Amino acid sequence: EVQLVESGGGLVQPGGSLRLSCAASGFTFGRFSMSWVRQAPGKALEWVAHIGNDGRELNYLDSVKGRFTISRDNAKNSLYLQMNSLRAEDTAVYYCSQGGGGYGVAWGQGTLVIVSS
Amino acid sequence: DVLMTQSPSTLSASVGDRVTITCRASQSISSWLVWYQQKPGKAPKLLIYRASTLQSGVPSRFSGSGSGTEFTLTISSLQPDDFATYYCQQHDHYPRTFGQGTKVEVK
Repeated sequence: EVQLVESGGGLVQPGGSLRLSCAASGFTFGRFSMSWVRQAPGKALEWVAHIGNDGRELNYLDSVKGRFTISRDNAKNSLYLQMNSLRAEDTAVYYCSQGGGGYGVAWGQGTLVIVSS
Repeated sequence: DVLMTQSPSTLSASVGDRVTITCRASQSISSWLVWYQQKPGKAPKLLIYRASTLQSGVPSRFSGSGSGTEFTLTISSLQPDDFATYYCQQHDHYPRTFGQGTKVEVK
């Protein structure tokens, strides 16, 4: 069974940093591209970033480019999202998702990030 | 960016009803469209990929159609477990973009 477990969310002040992690199990992690998708309270889903299976292909939402960095460690079956210069509008539940075709086949339960002073 | 527009935003229906949700893309995305179901406090669940292919384990009352810029999700006979919010997403272009969601509520 595919399992994705996010961690690392929390309350951070504007301008601060957080690093989200996603631990994967139940599938051959290194064969799949992965994504981060977020959902602000009461709002629609919003794709944030994508990484290819070998970590070389990277794509970002324009509003997070230069602030967020997606990465992965295939040896540790883990996906990461380093978030710097956080803004109030980054407040959301962040989901990691497994996607071989550019969409989320499996999803984690999400981790909540609150950016507030 | 490809703008995805769903209609309606809210749909009131009863158990047993046939329900149709529309998703329009601002430019052609071929068949690179998926549909998700999301319940409050839960992660999205993939229902349909490549516009019309049912994900494994999803009940056959769900179906998808369309290509290019216009797509539909149909629930042939609404069940109590189907009251939820539904999202379309294109994966032809970056950034990947979602529709604003359609909430299916009890009439």
